[in-house]
Amino acid sequence: AQSVTQPDIHITVSEGASLELRCNYSYGATPYLFWYVQSPGQGLQLLLKYFSGDTLVQGIKGFEAEFKRSQSSFNLRKPSVHWSDAAEYFCAVGANSGYALNFGKGTSLLVTP
Amino acid sequence: NAGVTQTPKFQVLKTGQSMTLQCAQDMNHEYMSWYRQDPGMGLRLIHYSVGAGITDQGEVPNGYNVSRSTTEDFPLRLLSAAPSQTSVYFCASSSGQMPSYNEQFFGPGTRLTVL
Repeated sequence: AQSVTQPDIHITVSEGASLELRCNYSYGATPYLFWYVQSPGQGLQLLLKYFSGDTLVQGIKGFEAEFKRSQSSFNLRKPSVHWSDAAEYFCAVGANSGYALNFGKGTSLLVTP
Repeated sequence: NAGVTQTPKFQVLKTGQSMTLQCAQDMNHEYMSWYRQDPGMGLRLIHYSVGAGITDQGEVPNGYNVSRSTTEDFPLRLLSAAPSQTSVYFCASSSGQMPSYNEQFFGPGTRLTVL
């Protein structure tokens, strides 16, 4: 069965610092991978996705993620964090069924001045 | 396009009451799903549908019913509400076809409290 692990429950970074959020997945074949962001009290917005091809994926708001098959990872990065990036981030994996995703438990990002 | 819409946005129920959470999408997506979000648990799949007339259980289906009579609508019914069903509920749809395949398009959510 497919699963997702986000090892960090909370992360605090200073504004302007770089960010990396970790995501590890468990799935036998090449997975479909996603990062979603949720601002407080809001719904979920897609940041980026990986289906195939180039393993470095660019998303919205200056985020990128790299698929590493050997490490079963899909870590999210941003070179310089803004205060508005404070939110909850979810990594998700989908198999070859089109109907749903398995989500990690999320990482809460706090940005300090 | 409105995308995925959900009503109501907020609801308070008493234990034992029943209600229906509404979900509709205007993207002509075949697949629709219901998730619940609880603190520290991420999103968990309740029920899903792969087309009109076809539904199946997800990870946490107990206490919920669904039906799919049209492509657009996918209501979630709570038969007898319990405090354990206090949660935020998200409806989502996906095309099931490339290029978006199983990318979930989410509604704004319904925050439910059961007293």
